[in-house]
Amino acid sequence: DIQMTQSPSSLSASVGDRVTITCRASQSISGYLNWYQQKPGKAPKLLIYAASSLQSGVPSRFSGGGSGTDFTLTISSLQPEDFATYYCQQSYSTPWTFGQGTKVEIK
Amino acid sequence: QLQLQESGPGLVKPSETLSLTCTVSGGSISSSNYYWGWIRQPPGMGLEWIGSIYYSGSTYYNPSLKSRVTISVDTSKNQFSLKLISVTAADTAVYYCARRGSTIFGVVVRYWFDPWGQGTLVTVSS
Repeated sequence: DIQMTQSPSSLSASVGDRVTITCRASQSISGYLNWYQQKPGKAPKLLIYAASSLQSGVPSRFSGGGSGTDFTLTISSLQPEDFATYYCQQSYSTPWTFGQGTKVEIK
Repeated sequence: QLQLQESGPGLVKPSETLSLTCTVSGGSISSSNYYWGWIRQPPGMGLEWIGSIYYSGSTYYNPSLKSRVTISVDTSKNQFSLKLISVTAADTAVYYCARRGSTIFGVVVRYWFDPWGQGTLVTVSS
């Protein structure tokens, strides 16, 4: 199985801050990487697919990058509604696997 | 707008079978470009993919659960279902159903899960 490792596990930030979350795969997964946002008590929501493609309806302050084993999710200017947990997921090979999550909290 | 909704018992006894159904509305489960899947999340923990099914009945499962899992589809009801046998407390989780979609980039196909159902908590306890 491909192991996905996110860093940091949690972070505190203020509204307006630029935030970057990192996801590392245990082997090269090319651009087969998705990002999801999950708010408490809610289902995950797709933000970014294929490493850098913005899902329809997702604000442009979210962006994704990377290829191979190292990927990033960046929020250019953190908004109150962005406080949530973010997960990466590889779709290179089954079993599809997720990172452990990064919780973004209010400073 | 496509919506998915999980249903089934919220409490299952140890060693028994967990059974859940996902009802798809706002679209057909028989759409050719999509698989349909189950993903679970133990309380306070991360996400684990369980398995996926095509409308034809073709399935693929997470090897870690394969011996205990069966996913089936009923196209007449626009539903797909999950059965997990011999459950233990470790199977306590929120269970989500989701659509597995794909996007073609030249000769490469990339996959993603969207949308998801709201999730249903299943507790394994006597």
